[in-house]
Amino acid sequence: EVQLVESGGGLVQPGGSLRLSCAASGFTFSSYWMHWVRQAPGKGLVWVSRINDDGSSTTYADSVKGRFTISRDNAKNTLYLQMNSLRAEDTAVYYCARGSTGGSFGYWGQGTLVSVSS
Amino acid sequence: EIVLTQSPGTLSLSPGERATLSCRASQSVSSSYLAWYRQKPGQAPRLLIYGASSRATGIPDRFSGSGSGTDFTLTINRLEPEDFAVYYCQQYGSSSWTFGQGTKVEIK
Repeated sequence: EVQLVESGGGLVQPGGSLRLSCAASGFTFSSYWMHWVRQAPGKGLVWVSRINDDGSSTTYADSVKGRFTISRDNAKNTLYLQMNSLRAEDTAVYYCARGSTGGSFGYWGQGTLVSVSS
Repeated sequence: EIVLTQSPGTLSLSPGERATLSCRASQSVSSSYLAWYRQKPGQAPRLLIYGASSRATGIPDRFSGSGSGTDFTLTINRLEPEDFAVYYCQQYGSSSWTFGQGTKVEIK
């Protein structure tokens, strides 16, 4: 069974940093692109970042470019999102998702809440 | 960036009825790269349809997707209680992924 379990969320002050993790199991992690998608409270889904299967290529939404860094450790079956210079508008539930056919997101974690507030 | 606009914002229907949800793109989207998701309250989204019309694993055949170019449709036949949720369309193109703003299907 495919499982994605996020951790690392919490309350952080504006300008602070946080690192999210996503532990994957039930599939060959090193064979899949992985993504982060976020959802502000009461709002819709927004794609944040993507990393290819071996970690050599990454892409970011304009809203986080230069502040967030996606990475992965295929030996540990874990995806990361390093978030720096956090802003109030980064407050959201952050989901990790496995890339699937046609650019879709086939599996999602349960999400971890990041709150940016003073 | 391709913008996806979903309509209506809210659909009020009764169990057993048919729901028709629309997703319109600001420019042409390859049918291969259009997906639909259902999100129940407090849960993560679940993939329903990929490639505009292919059902994901375990998705019942009351869900169907259609469309091409800039206009796509998700149809849900015979609404079940678990289908009252928010639905999102999503596209991939030019190393960017975007979602529509969502359509809420509520019990009438």
